[in-house]
Amino acid sequence: NAGVTQTPKFQVLKTGQSMTLQCAQDMNHNSMYWYRQDPGMGLRLIYYSASEGTTDKGEVPNGYNVSRLNKREFSLRLESAAPSQTSVYFCASDLQGDTEAFFGQGTRLTVV
Amino acid sequence: GIQVEQSPPDLILQEGANSTLRCNFSDSVNNLQWFHQNPWGQLINLFYIPSGTKQNGRLSATTVATERYSLLYISSSQTTDSGVYFCAVGDNAGNMLTFGGGTRLMVKP
Repeated sequence: NAGVTQTPKFQVLKTGQSMTLQCAQDMNHNSMYWYRQDPGMGLRLIYYSASEGTTDKGEVPNGYNVSRLNKREFSLRLESAAPSQTSVYFCASDLQGDTEAFFGQGTRLTVV
Repeated sequence: GIQVEQSPPDLILQEGANSTLRCNFSDSVNNLQWFHQNPWGQLINLFYIPSGTKQNGRLSATTVATERYSLLYISSSQTTDSGVYFCAVGDNAGNMLTFGGGTRLMVKP
């Protein structure tokens, strides 16, 4: 049982490049989330998907897009990366909005 | 949105000491979790505790939802307890967790 799997684990981008962060869960959870963590801070929600086929903005959505590909997979896309998007990105899932959430191992992204 | 404050921000302990970490939140919650972020950055689930008391080995947690706070107790601390402890809460809309700023714990041998 892998839980929540994120790829890649590390990435360096140049300003203006695009990339997609992938997330998959094997716990049959309905809800999935993308968070970012900046140095010395807690996590902040970027986007979430309460169920397959729906997505909504979180606290810091600007510069990102998401796709809930199916029940298992939720991807995060940076269309034109900026240095301010240098961060560690975490994907999470839970059965439904107010149940125990589980996190992936994170993707460390540096934009130069 | 809901505000989450954790205290203390930093804590240094000698191995074997006990500690209490506090999480205050500004509104009613349906979800409260404690996480340990280890030095490698991984978030480890400690407790899912929207109310009541739970214990797991040397760790225990209590949430008093009516008074809007939760406490995490660490007894007989070990160097492997070092890292950052986060409290995260979910409001009644149930769509997201809001994280506190964390307590950075260092346990010295």
